[in-house]
Formats: sequence, C-alpha cells, structure tokens
Amino acid sequence: SQELEQSPQSLIVQEGKNLTINCTSSKTLYGLYWYKQKYGEGLIFLMMLQKGGEEKSHEKITAKLDEKKQQSSLHITASQPSHAGIYLCGADLSWGFAGNNRKLIWGLGTSLAVNP
Amino acid sequence: DADVTQTPRNRITKTGKRIMLECSQTKGHDRMYWYRQDPGLGLRLIYYSFDVKDINKGEISDGYSVSRQAQAKFSLSLESAIPNQTALYFCATSPGQGVYEQYFGPGTRLTVT
Repeated sequence: SQELEQSPQSLIVQEGKNLTINCTSSKTLYGLYWYKQKYGEGLIFLMMLQKGGEEKSHEKITAKLDEKKQQSSLHITASQPSHAGIYLCGADLSWGFAGNNRKLIWGLGTSLAVNP
Repeated sequence: DADVTQTPRNRITKTGKRIMLECSQTKGHDRMYWYRQDPGLGLRLIYYSFDVKDINKGEISDGYSVSRQAQAKFSLSLESAIPNQTALYFCATSPGQGVYEQYFGPGTRLTVT
C-alpha cells in the first residue's frame, strides 16, 4: 500500500466552490510539501509545512499539517479554472536523522477539474 | 530562463537503443534527483546525488545509470531501452541543508517502441 495516501483521487467542482484534498501518511511526518502539476508538465511548488498545526496560505490555497493524524489538508476557496490540475503531496520521512538516507515519498495525486 | 532545464523534452526511441536525458540547473543546489512518473504509480525516485561525488540509487534504479558531471549537471542514461521505460522523466534539485523543497524541471516524455 502507498505510504502516502491522497484523497480523493479526482474531483470535479463548479467554479466558485470550495474544496479540500487530503494527504495521509502511514508514518510520522517531519515535513510535508504540496505541489501542483498541469497535465504532462512539471511540478510547481506550492507550500511546505513542518510543524504540527502549521497552516500556510498562498492566494486562495491554504494547507494545514495535523501532526497527530499524520495528515495534511489542502483547501481551495472559491475555485477557479486556473486551479485545475493535479495536486501532489510529498513527505520527507527521514528528516531529523543523521546521514544521507533522506527521501521524499509521494502521493499518487488528486486530479482537479473546475467547470466554469 | 528556467532554473531547471531538461533536454530533450520529447523523445521516441526503439527497444535496445542507448539514450541519455540531460538536466541542468542554475539554482546552485547541491542535490539533484531523477524521477519517473507513470499513471497509477506516481513519482518514483530513480537516482539521487547529494554532491558531485555522492550518487545513490533510488527505489527503481535497475536499467538506469547516472552521471553527475558538475554541480549543475546530472544526466540519466538508459543503456538499453525497453518499452516499460516509457514514462515522463523529471529532474529535480534541492538545497543541501534542513527540510527542503524540490524544484522540478519541465520533464522529458520518453517513448520506447
């Protein structure tokens, strides 16, 4: 099973609606990253969360890290067609340990379509 | 200009051919990564390099090799391409210290026929 589960897998919303995407880890999260990918293109960094309870916002996108639940949520307020794409979460599970064993693991992504 | 560039952007090659994908970065980062992305499998790490002299295998390194020619350049080679290596390949970079985000190139779409 995936170490990092994203839900839902896909989402279709009407323009102007709010939506939430979740990212849940099977292990302790030391750092969590949200990226956006347009279909077939590169990943654009959105936000990084490090501490439990931390919340960050970028324009109409807000992400929060719930360390106890080993989960992060990404919330988009008043969605627009420009928000469409694939949202990926990545987690650094080895942060805080010595040595060169760090790796970033990834969820499978949530595909978002916003209908005008 | 883009901070992380990949060449070529698209490539079609035949089974058994050797192919090299190149990545260059102007961010001055020490760490560089190669990933492949497949539908339903997500991003998977092929190789990563923490500096010019430090290269490490990722979770799916079989069939691939890499070369870190300089801090700014990291190449991925497929010695003998096979159809299941058809995928979208990404190069990424990150700073060397602490918790860090990765910066991705635009990707190379590789098709092996």
